[in-house]
Amino acid sequence: EVQLLESGGDLVQPGGSLRLACAASGFTFSDYGMNWVRQAPGKGLEWVSSISGIAGGGGTYYADSVKGRFTISRDNSDNTLHLQMNSLRAEDSAVYYCAKFGFGSNCNSAICYGNFDHWGQGTLVTVSS
Amino acid sequence: ENVLTQSPGTLSLSPGERATLSCRTSQSIGSSSLAWYQQRPGQSPRLLIWGASRRATGIPDRFSGSGSGTDFTLTISRLEPEDLAVYYCQHYGSSPGTFGQGTKVEIK
Repeated sequence: EVQLLESGGDLVQPGGSLRLACAASGFTFSDYGMNWVRQAPGKGLEWVSSISGIAGGGGTYYADSVKGRFTISRDNSDNTLHLQMNSLRAEDSAVYYCAKFGFGSNCNSAICYGNFDHWGQGTLVTVSS
Repeated sequence: ENVLTQSPGTLSLSPGERATLSCRTSQSIGSSSLAWYQQRPGQSPRLLIWGASRRATGIPDRFSGSGSGTDFTLTISRLEPEDLAVYYCQHYGSSPGTFGQGTKVEIK
């Protein structure tokens, strides 16, 4: 059974930093592209960042709203996905979900797209003074 | 940027009725890069449909997807109380994901 467990969410001041983690199990983690998707309170879903699997060369992709501030990474040796968030803003406040790419997805160093077939339970990030 | 518009905003139906949810894209996307998700209150999203019409693993056959080009539909053939949720469509053909704003399904 695929399981994704996020951690690291917290209350942080504007301009601060936070590092999220997602522990994956139940599948060959290194084979799959992985993602972060966020949801502000009472709002819809917003894709944040993606990273390809080992065959895709570890390509990374970001939404314009976080480019230059957030960094996605993965450690295939311990099946963990990370999101380093710097220069945080109030509008970054959201539940952050870790999600695995599903069938029909394609993510490599040149292009990245796909649907999300498994999601974690989410971790809450609040940016406020 | 491809904009996805879902309608209606809210759908209120009785158990056993048929629900029809619409997702319209601002640019044609063919017939294979559209997904639907269900998000029940307090839960994470769950993939229902991918490739416009393919049910994800474990999804009941009363959920079906159809459409091509710019118009896509999620149909729930016989509503059950546990179908109370917000449903999102997603286009994933050229980027990891652009979502619609969601349709809320209420059960009378």
